[in-house]
Amino acid sequence: DTAVSQTPKYLVTQMGNDKSIKCEQNLGHDTMYWYKQDSKKFLKIMFSYNNKELIINETVPNRFSPKSPDKAHLNLHINSLELGDSAVYFCASSQEVLAGGPASTDTQYFGPGTRLTVL
Amino acid sequence: SQQGEEDPQALSIQEGENATMNCSYKTSINNLQWYRQNSGRGLVHLILIRSNEREKHSGRLRVTLDTSKKSSSLLITASRAADTASYFCATDEGIQGAQKLVFGQGTRLTINP
Repeated sequence: DTAVSQTPKYLVTQMGNDKSIKCEQNLGHDTMYWYKQDSKKFLKIMFSYNNKELIINETVPNRFSPKSPDKAHLNLHINSLELGDSAVYFCASSQEVLAGGPASTDTQYFGPGTRLTVL
Repeated sequence: SQQGEEDPQALSIQEGENATMNCSYKTSINNLQWYRQNSGRGLVHLILIRSNEREKHSGRLRVTLDTSKKSSSLLITASRAADTASYFCATDEGIQGAQKLVFGQGTRLTINP
């Protein structure tokens, strides 16, 4: 009954490969997110989808392409992996459709993370 | 860009003592949230304080917010070994439809038995 799940937990791959990370939430939330946490533990938002629509797209290389087949899933596909892509990637979700405005009191639920190592 | 600066970066105290972590930010916010991350795990939400609130309590946690100084503090009272984790503040700069949480670099808290 995991709320936000990610697969795989660990991913080791060669530079230049293409890989995907999957995320699913069973909380019925409308909004999902991808974050990247680097080796210094700095956590930065990459993307956000609300009900399958892209809402936030930070300055991320276009080698990263999120895909949301339905509001319970947000997958992350990465093309032509580079050494600098090595990090822990976290998926998260939040409930409030009106999240983000001044009245927002919503919180985010995080998945366990996917540790990506590019060799 | 990184919004929050957390202070200290690392804190080590004895079990039973209180732990205080500080967070400063740069822009106007909707709310400020604190999260905990245990080693090798995802983040867990602890507490949220809205921009028009000054103090909030939840169990052993006490959060303050000073919007004039753009700063917040998290106090954990009567610390326990299980409180050992990294603590992150995050400011919500989101737009309609999605939160945009901007995280600080975190404080690594170690509780010594």
